[in-house]
Amino acid sequence: AQSVTQLGSHVSVSEGALVLLRCNYSSSVPPYLFWYVQYPNQGLQLLLKYTTGATLVKGINGFEAEFKKSETSFHLTKPSAHMSDAAEYFCAVSDRNTLTFGKGTMLLVSP
Amino acid sequence: DSGVTQTPKHLITATGQRVTLRCSPRSGDLSVYWYQQSLDQGLQFLIQYYNGEERAKGNILERFSAQQFPDLHSELNLSSLELGDSALYFCASSGNRGINEQYFGPGTRLTVT
Repeated sequence: AQSVTQLGSHVSVSEGALVLLRCNYSSSVPPYLFWYVQYPNQGLQLLLKYTTGATLVKGINGFEAEFKKSETSFHLTKPSAHMSDAAEYFCAVSDRNTLTFGKGTMLLVSP
Repeated sequence: DSGVTQTPKHLITATGQRVTLRCSPRSGDLSVYWYQQSLDQGLQFLIQYYNGEERAKGNILERFSAQQFPDLHSELNLSSLELGDSALYFCASSGNRGINEQYFGPGTRLTVT
C-alpha cells in the first residue's frame, strides 16, 4: 500500500517569499511522484513529476521539487511567491497501478 | 487545457433522482478515472476503466456506476441521490501505462437539493 502525507493544510507566505510545501510518501516500490495544482473551481493541473533520473525536477510556473529517497520526501518549492500562486496543491504517488493523492495544502499569498 | 472534457459543467437535481456525467479523455488515452471532491472528504478516487474494462475500484458507492464505451468516452451514473452526494466530480485520463500520469478535466459540480 502507498500513502501520501502533506504537512499543513494551509501555508501562508508573503509575496516574494520562499514557498515550501511538504510531502512525504510511503511506497513498497520505487515511486513515481507528482505535484498537482488546483485553482478555484478548476480541475487539477500537473505541475511536475518525478519518474527516474535526476532527483531535482523543474515544473511549470517556476516550481521545482526534489526527490529524497532517504527521507521519503518530495517537497515543492518556489523561490519567490506570486499572488497568482494562491491555490491548492496536491502531492501524489504512483506504484504503477494506482495514483494516491495527499489531502492537499492551500497556499495563501499576501501582498 | 488538459484535453479532457466533461459535461455538464453544473448540475442541480433533487434527492432521489438519477444523473449521468460524461467524460471524453485526451486523444489516445485508454484509461479513464473518476474522482469525487468535497470539502469534508477531500479528493476521493472512485473508479478506473482501461480500454472499456473496469481496472480498479476505490470508494465508490453501490448507488454509483460507470462504464467506458468503445469510443473511450466514459459515463458516471449516480442514482438515488442524497444531499451528501453534492460535490465536484472529476474525470482524468492517462495514456502512460505504468507511470499513471493523469490529466484532469474541468469537473462537473453536482448540487443535490
